[in-house]
Amino acid sequence: GDSVTQMEGPVTLSEEAFLTINCTYTATGYPSLFWYVQYPGEGLQLLLKATKADDKGSNKGFEATYRKETTSFHLEKGSVQVSDSAVYFCALTGANSKLTFGKGITLSVRP
Amino acid sequence: GAGVSQTPSNKVTEKGKYVELRCDPISGHTALYWYRQSLGQGPEFLIYFQGTGAADDSGLPNDRFFAVRPEGSVSTLKIQRTERGDSAVYLCASSLGGYRGRNKNIQYFGAGTRLSVL
Repeated sequence: GDSVTQMEGPVTLSEEAFLTINCTYTATGYPSLFWYVQYPGEGLQLLLKATKADDKGSNKGFEATYRKETTSFHLEKGSVQVSDSAVYFCALTGANSKLTFGKGITLSVRP
Repeated sequence: GAGVSQTPSNKVTEKGKYVELRCDPISGHTALYWYRQSLGQGPEFLIYFQGTGAADDSGLPNDRFFAVRPEGSVSTLKIQRTERGDSAVYLCASSLGGYRGRNKNIQYFGAGTRLSVL
């Protein structure tokens, strides 16, 4: 079945540091890929998405590129802020409509 | 409403009791999903409705779990004979649904119901 693997956390960075959060997936067919974010005390929010190979999703300074050859969708940001502290989930939808999530990773950004 | 609404936000119950969790999707969204998120884990799929019918209930863990959406809008997740292992955050999401392109299937989540079974 479909699965998503995220790098182990938590991750702690200083403000303005470069961020990479790794995500790889296993799916049949051509999945759509997503990053969702959960800020403290809030619900899951869509951060960005990509629906086909080589697409780049971007939002709020975050980017991720759909790499079919490496089955990856790594999340990057050039300069993190304290307000980026949250839990980040990589997810996919495959042939069916349901989302399959990774375990999530907690990011803490120090001032 | 403006977003997906879930009630109650917190529910504490005793082992063996029956509970109902409610989800009110975004107006006009025909697809509705239930997920369960245990501590330290990502959400796991339970059931998906397209309109009034359950299109995929493969994620329901056992027959104690049941969900309905009688008028194609509000949905209720029902758990019978609750067990301590049912304690989790139950998330509801909705999307435009249909098969008119992948953007129609972006799922928007509610804040969840935190269920605690004592």
